[in-house]
Amino acid sequence: EVQLLQSEAEVKKPGESLKISCKGSGYTFSDYWIGWVRHIPGKGLEWMGIIYPSDSNTVYSPSFQGQVTISADKSTSTAYLHWSSLQASDTAIYYCARDPLWHDPFDIWGQGTMVTVSS
Amino acid sequence: DIQMTQSPSSLSASVGDRVTITCRASQDIRNELGWYQQKPGKAPKRLIHVTSSLQSGVSSRFSGSESETEFILTISSLQPEDFATYYCLQHHNYPFTFGPGTRIDMK
Repeated sequence: EVQLLQSEAEVKKPGESLKISCKGSGYTFSDYWIGWVRHIPGKGLEWMGIIYPSDSNTVYSPSFQGQVTISADKSTSTAYLHWSSLQASDTAIYYCARDPLWHDPFDIWGQGTMVTVSS
Repeated sequence: DIQMTQSPSSLSASVGDRVTITCRASQDIRNELGWYQQKPGKAPKRLIHVTSSLQSGVSSRFSGSESETEFILTISSLQPEDFATYYCLQHHNYPFTFGPGTRIDMK
């Protein structure tokens, strides 16, 4: 079965760093982009960026460029989303999802990781 | 960036109703658009890709089409499990962009 398994919910303080993960299984991880999508409850979905694990080619939305870092380790079939200094406004659910090389997003989604940033 | 607009932003409907949701792009995106359904507390689910291709395993009551500059999601006969929020997503240019969403609730 093709699936993306995300790391568990996190509660952090402002200024702390965080890396959440998304592990693919049931398919050739390196052959698909992995995208990250933010969902603030009560608001819409936001496309954050994508990474191609085979060569780590990464594209960010201008809205998120410099705010987060997307990375991937093809040897462990895992993609990551990293914050160096969290803000309260980063409180949201973050989803990873799969996108084929030629871009036809997103047929498979992770279950989501809730990130809460509060002092 | 390509801006996506959706209409309506919300609608109230009854089981059995035919429902249409539209998305419009700020520039030509060819057929590079998908439709997604999201229920509260759940990950989004793709219904339609490249404008009109039904995602495997998705009910045929969902269909996608294009009319001039509008992309249309149609639910032919609304079922209880279809009350949810629906989003379009263009993947013609980076950054990919979602529409703001259409919430369908029970009349």
